[in-house]
Amino acid sequence: DTGVSQNPRHKITKRGQNVTFRCDPISEHNRLYWYRQTLGQGPEFLTYFQNEAQLEKSRLLSDRFSAERPKGSFSTLEIQRTEQGDSAMYLCASSLPPGANVLTFGAGSRLTVL
Amino acid sequence: AQTVTQSQPEMSVQEAETVTLSCTYDTSENNYYLFWYKQPPSRQMILVIRQEAYKQQNATENRFSVNFQKAAKSFSLKISDSQLGDTAMYFCAFMKQGGSEKLVFGKGTKLTVNP
Repeated sequence: DTGVSQNPRHKITKRGQNVTFRCDPISEHNRLYWYRQTLGQGPEFLTYFQNEAQLEKSRLLSDRFSAERPKGSFSTLEIQRTEQGDSAMYLCASSLPPGANVLTFGAGSRLTVL
Repeated sequence: AQTVTQSQPEMSVQEAETVTLSCTYDTSENNYYLFWYKQPPSRQMILVIRQEAYKQQNATENRFSVNFQKAAKSFSLKISDSQLGDTAMYFCAFMKQGGSEKLVFGKGTKLTVNP
């Protein structure tokens, strides 16, 4: 069990560029969540997957954001045409099958949009 | 929708002393879970303690304990014998039982343990 892994840890990009973050959950976890955390705030839910199915998306997930989990293992979060307001920490978490209740978080990917 | 409120943006405590962090929440659900997560500087968020709403007994984990008042919708965290390593952001979080099991977080309390 190597925990939840996120890459890259830090990404600096210019406004208008596309960025992609990757999350590798704990291997036996079939649920995967993405959260966004801005400075001074708690994490806010973006979306979650059960296996490869994306079952819920927050209204925060604008059409510039897309998340995938193609084989029910790792997941990617892509932000197109980045804006300065997208600057935040993007957190990934995974959990055991439904009912286990405990989410394990990765260290996050920090995005800075110049 | 559920909301979680942490009214103390920052707190400090002397090493070896006890500190209590406050959290209130609002929900119409009857079955849910409450959590405290710790986020050290530049490190990942880790679970401190969990409470099932149907349990009247307050959860404890070593030096960490909670005071869960369901009727008042209050869920405070007590840290006893504070250690320098307890310095971190502490987030209170709510999870509705069933469905997505997503967490709804408060804004956090920054705790500093002073030597």
